[in-house]
Amino acid sequence: DVKVTQSSRYLVKRTGEKVFLECVQDMDHENMFWYRQDPGLGLRLIYFSYDVKMKEKGDIPEGYSVSREKKERFSLILESASTNQTSMYLCASRTNGDQPQHFGDGTRLSIL
Amino acid sequence: AQKVTQAQTEISVVEKEDVTLDCVYETRDTTYYLFWYKQPPSGELVFLIRRNSFDEQNEISGRYSWNFQKSTSSFNFTITASQVVDSAVYFCALSEEYNTDKLIFGTGTRLQVFP
Repeated sequence: DVKVTQSSRYLVKRTGEKVFLECVQDMDHENMFWYRQDPGLGLRLIYFSYDVKMKEKGDIPEGYSVSREKKERFSLILESASTNQTSMYLCASRTNGDQPQHFGDGTRLSIL
Repeated sequence: AQKVTQAQTEISVVEKEDVTLDCVYETRDTTYYLFWYKQPPSGELVFLIRRNSFDEQNEISGRYSWNFQKSTSSFNFTITASQVVDSAVYFCALSEEYNTDKLIFGTGTRLQVFP
């Protein structure tokens, strides 16, 4: 089974802090994704990556950056956290070809 | 523009009832893919099905079935004889041929199955 692991289930940070959300997958997938999930808005894509050191902007990249130094790890960075970034963050990965994305359990982030 | 609409925000049923979750999509592409994911209270999205636009056959998997109709741009999901464990948020999603990594999600339907 594919396993996508997000480092924290719940996280509380303060406005202005630099926040790191970590995601690791154990299936050697080429592609990794970060989404945020908000009530009434569904999931929205923040960033994704096709390969190590590669990144592409999704629909809502503002205020975020990402890092992919190793194939199995994809980090989401909030450079200076703001209260409107309080949300559920979901990481996903998939291999190339006709395969679906597999998701982690999510990190519920609160910015105070 | 691509869009996925799940008009039902929340549905409540009693165990053993059948329930249908609606999904309507918009796309200009002739080749695209449709998905359903389940999000139980634990939080992770669980992949249920992927269907490409050229395959309009209905699919059945146990108590789950999917009805894809291009004429109405719908991809509806039916659970037969619902169970309490089916309680979750269900998301319908769309991706297009030349951008298969970009999933466009609907806003989700929360299904509550009561004993």
